[in-house]
Amino acid sequence: SQTIHQWPATLVQPVGSPLSLECTVEGTSNPNLYWYRQAAGRGLQLLFYSVGIGQISSEVPQNLSASRPQDRQFILSSKKLLLSDSGFYLCAWGLWASGTQYFGPGTRLTVL
Amino acid sequence: AQKITQTQPGMFVQEKEAVTLDCTYDTSDQSYGLFWYKQPSSGEMIFLIYQGSYDEQNATEGRYSLNFQKARKSANLVISASQLGDSAMYFCAMRDGDSSYKLIFGSGTRLLVRP
Repeated sequence: SQTIHQWPATLVQPVGSPLSLECTVEGTSNPNLYWYRQAAGRGLQLLFYSVGIGQISSEVPQNLSASRPQDRQFILSSKKLLLSDSGFYLCAWGLWASGTQYFGPGTRLTVL
Repeated sequence: AQKITQTQPGMFVQEKEAVTLDCTYDTSDQSYGLFWYKQPSSGEMIFLIYQGSYDEQNATEGRYSLNFQKARKSANLVISASQLGDSAMYFCAMRDGDSSYKLIFGSGTRLLVRP
């Protein structure tokens, strides 16, 4: 069965510091991968998605970037965090046929 | 542009009763998919149920069923025999027909189950 991992679970970072969130998937090959952000009490905002190694599409212009160095690894990064980057970050992998997405446990990021 | 609307910010239901969570969508595509996810207080998004636009029968998964009314562009989630563990945020989402890659989410409905 497929499993998706995210770490860290929680993170507190100062403004201007770098960021690296990692997501890995087990039990499937060549998945679509996604990064979402959820502000407190709000819905999900798609940040990036990837349909293959090295292929990244950005949905929202911001100071974040994503990379997919391996088939089942998806990384979200920032060189300098802003206060507005605080939120709950969710990684997901998706089925090609139906588009159903399965989510990881998430990372709660607080930028101070 | 595709859009998902959930008009109920919060709902209450008595334990063991059924509840319907509303979702309407807007799309000009003929092929699309509709999803419901549950988000408990832990934050994880849990996939509940899927309905394809060409599926003639309403989708069901255990106590969850999707009341799909294509002409009205609605995809309401029905939870039967509510349990205390059903208390959570519920999100409706749509996959557009142009791409199988992206989901568009509604703003969510918070469901509280009363004992």
